[in-house]
Amino acid sequence: AQRVTQPEKLLSVFKGAPVELKCNYSYSGSPELFWYVQYSRQRLQLLLRHISRESIKGFTADLNKGETSFHLKKPFAQEEDSAMYYCALMHDYKLSFGAGTTVTVRA
Amino acid sequence: GAGVSQSPSNKVTEKGKDVELRCDPISGHTALYWYRQSLGQGLEFLIYFQGNSAPDKSGLPSDRFSAERTGGSVSTLTIQRTQQEDSAVYLCASSYNTGQPQHFGDGTRLSIL
Repeated sequence: AQRVTQPEKLLSVFKGAPVELKCNYSYSGSPELFWYVQYSRQRLQLLLRHISRESIKGFTADLNKGETSFHLKKPFAQEEDSAMYYCALMHDYKLSFGAGTTVTVRA
Repeated sequence: GAGVSQSPSNKVTEKGKDVELRCDPISGHTALYWYRQSLGQGLEFLIYFQGNSAPDKSGLPSDRFSAERTGGSVSTLTIQRTQQEDSAVYLCASSYNTGQPQHFGDGTRLSIL
């Protein structure tokens, strides 16, 4: 069965420091992975999709099939990056989400 | 509107009552999904509609839950005889087609007293 694990519930970093959010998955097929972000009082929105290999708001994520990971990284965190981040795996057409990581960026 | 629209934004009701939650997807999106976000369970898939195909109801937690999608657009999620464990935020999402990125609404926060 598919499963997405985000081991960190809370992550606190200083502004300008690098930030990495961990995501591991288990899935027997070829995974399609996403990162979603939810800013305070806003809706859940798509941040990254692994197949598009884009950099959005300075964030990147690389799929590592050997380690079954899809960690999200940003070299220099900004205060506006404070939010809840969810890693998600699409199987068939449904999304399975991790438990989420709350990121706080301190000035 | 440009995004997925859900109503009501908040609903408080007594245990045992029926509730209806509404979702208006992005115009032109053929796929529609319902998810539930609760404290103990995180974000869980409930049901999926694609065009005129039979919906995938595999995520519905009990037969008290049902959903319809009329005319390939608006969807309603109905919970009958609500229980306290139904308290959660119910999220609707739509996508242009199956497998495309899903765009979420603001959700309906349901509280069962």
